[in-house]
Amino acid sequence: SQTIHQWPATLVQPVGSPLSLECTVEGTSNPNLYWYRQAAGRGLQLLFYSVGIGQISSEVPQNLSASRPQDRQFILSSKKLLLSDSGFYLCAWSDGAREAFFGQGTRLTVV
Amino acid sequence: GEDVEQSLFLSVREGDSSVINCTYTDSSSTYLYWYKQEPGAGLQLLTYIFSNMDMKQDQRLTVLLNKKDKHLSLRIADTQTGDSAIYFCAEQERRNEKLTFGTGTRLTIIP
Repeated sequence: SQTIHQWPATLVQPVGSPLSLECTVEGTSNPNLYWYRQAAGRGLQLLFYSVGIGQISSEVPQNLSASRPQDRQFILSSKKLLLSDSGFYLCAWSDGAREAFFGQGTRLTVV
Repeated sequence: GEDVEQSLFLSVREGDSSVINCTYTDSSSTYLYWYKQEPGAGLQLLTYIFSNMDMKQDQRLTVLLNKKDKHLSLRIADTQTGDSAIYFCAEQERRNEKLTFGTGTRLTIIP
């Protein structure tokens, strides 16, 4: 069966520090991968999506970047975090057929 | 570009029906989804409907799709306290399988 792992679950980072959130998928190949952010009081915002290794589409200009070094690995990064980067980050995958499967999320607090 | 809109809040008395509404803009959407997010947790797929369907029923959940008006609704019959959550509507593009979410509707149950 397919599973998605996202870590860490919670993270507190100072302003200006780097960020690396990792997401891995098991049990499927060539998935579509997504990073979403849910800011307090707002809905889900699509940050990046990828249809294959090295293929990243960015949806909004921001302080973040994404990489897909392997088929089932999706990494969200920042060189220098801003206060506005605080939020709940969700990784997801889909096979394009119907359902998207989400990780449990990472709550990032930038202080 | 694609856009998905929802009301931010809905309060319903326990035992009554809840109706959560969503409008979208992409007429080429293939699937439309309803996701549930409980406090501090990731997203859980509740149900989905293919764009050539008008209605789908699954136990207490009924999804209605009006393609002409690009309007999607989720009806929860006999609403219970466990239904308290944020409900997200999402559309999936036919072209690139990208998922776009609405802002989410926070459903509060009044005892």
